[in-house]
Amino acid sequence: SQTIHQWPATLVQPVGSPLSLECTVEGTSNPNLYWYRQAAGRGLQLLFYSVGIGQISSEVPQNLSASRPQDRQFILSSKKLLLSDSGFYLCAWRGRVRRGNYGYTFGSGTRLTVV
Amino acid sequence: DAKTTQPTSMDCAEGRAANLPCNHSTISGNEYVYWYRQIHSQGPQYIIHGLKNNETNEMASLIITEDRKSSTLILPHATLRDTAVYYCIVRAQVSGGGADGLTFGKGTHLIIQP
Repeated sequence: SQTIHQWPATLVQPVGSPLSLECTVEGTSNPNLYWYRQAAGRGLQLLFYSVGIGQISSEVPQNLSASRPQDRQFILSSKKLLLSDSGFYLCAWRGRVRRGNYGYTFGSGTRLTVV
Repeated sequence: DAKTTQPTSMDCAEGRAANLPCNHSTISGNEYVYWYRQIHSQGPQYIIHGLKNNETNEMASLIITEDRKSSTLILPHATLRDTAVYYCIVRAQVSGGGADGLTFGKGTHLIIQP
């Protein structure tokens, strides 16, 4: 079965420090992978998606970047965190849910607090 | 993607059916209705989706009106663990090689009362 792993679960970082969040999937190959962010009291915002190794598309211009060094690894990074980067970050992959239709499986998330 | 409208919050008694409405009056013919839920501090969880026929699985039932402009997610016997934010999303199906993403609104905060 397919599983998705995301770590760390929580992170407190000072303003100006770098960030690296990692997401890996198991049990599938060449998945579409996504990074979402959820600010407090708001819906999920799609940040990046990737259809393959080295292929990254950005949905929203920001202080963050993403990379996909391996087929089942997706990394979210920042060189210098801002206070506004605080939020709940979720990794997801897209796979079949029923009768050839596609749905999304989300990781357990990383709660980032920038102080 | 078509826009959806959901109530901000709802209460339901434990053991009763929870009926969550969603309006999507601008839905187009190739767009599916997806439902996800997010329990506090966890990632969203897929519940069910449909195009025009009613659907049922082990988690819930999805009732889509004939004109497809609205739908209702039904949790037949709500438990305290069903307390979560429920998201109704309308999205065209993308072929396997395509890249896409879901647009989540604020959803409905369903609170199951003991």
